[in-house]
Amino acid sequence: RKEVEQDPGPFNVPEGATVAFNCTYSNSASQSFFWYRQDCRKEPKLLMSVYSSGNEDGRFTAQLNRASQYISLLIRDSKLSDSATYLCVVNKGNAGNMLTFGGGTRLMVKP
Amino acid sequence: NAGVTQTPKFQVLKTGQSMTLQCAQDMNHNSMYWYRQDPGMGLRLIYYSASEGTTDKGEVPNGYNVSRLNKREFSLRLESAAPSQTSVYFCASSVVGQGYGYTFGSGTRLTVV
Repeated sequence: RKEVEQDPGPFNVPEGATVAFNCTYSNSASQSFFWYRQDCRKEPKLLMSVYSSGNEDGRFTAQLNRASQYISLLIRDSKLSDSATYLCVVNKGNAGNMLTFGGGTRLMVKP
Repeated sequence: NAGVTQTPKFQVLKTGQSMTLQCAQDMNHNSMYWYRQDPGMGLRLIYYSASEGTTDKGEVPNGYNVSRLNKREFSLRLESAAPSQTSVYFCASSVVGQGYGYTFGSGTRLTVV
């Protein structure tokens, strides 16, 4: 089983749609969780951290379910500029800061 | 504030040639990492340096060596390039401790023919 699993997609949605991505992780000792965004032929960039209480940043909402080892990202009112690959990232739960990256979910927002 | 700077951005090598990929960060981060990204494989850790003076193997270290030259710089060397090393290479850095994400450089696209 992969440490971090994501549906690779692609998710094809119209502008204005709401889309949700899910991610599961296998290490119950993980303590830090993130969503990264990666545009085509670019480096991954931190989109948001994911907190136990859930957190929101504009049109983006992240949720964490520790019991089910499940993380989600909700994007409301999708824009063309949201088209990218979204990477679920989980730390290894050790004393350092080693992160494990999921394979990513590709989102394509169409006019 | 440049963040993480990688050079070169593009490189074509012949099989058997050697080269060094350079990475420098100006964020005073202690930890630095080298990843490769291939289609369908996601990001795979090659080597990392938790702090200046230390380096450790990651998931796919074979064929590579690293040097943590100082706190700012972490280089990746291919001694004898192989076509299987054709990939996009990303350097990243972070502070020590949980709860912090990584900052990535813009990548090096390497082709080995």
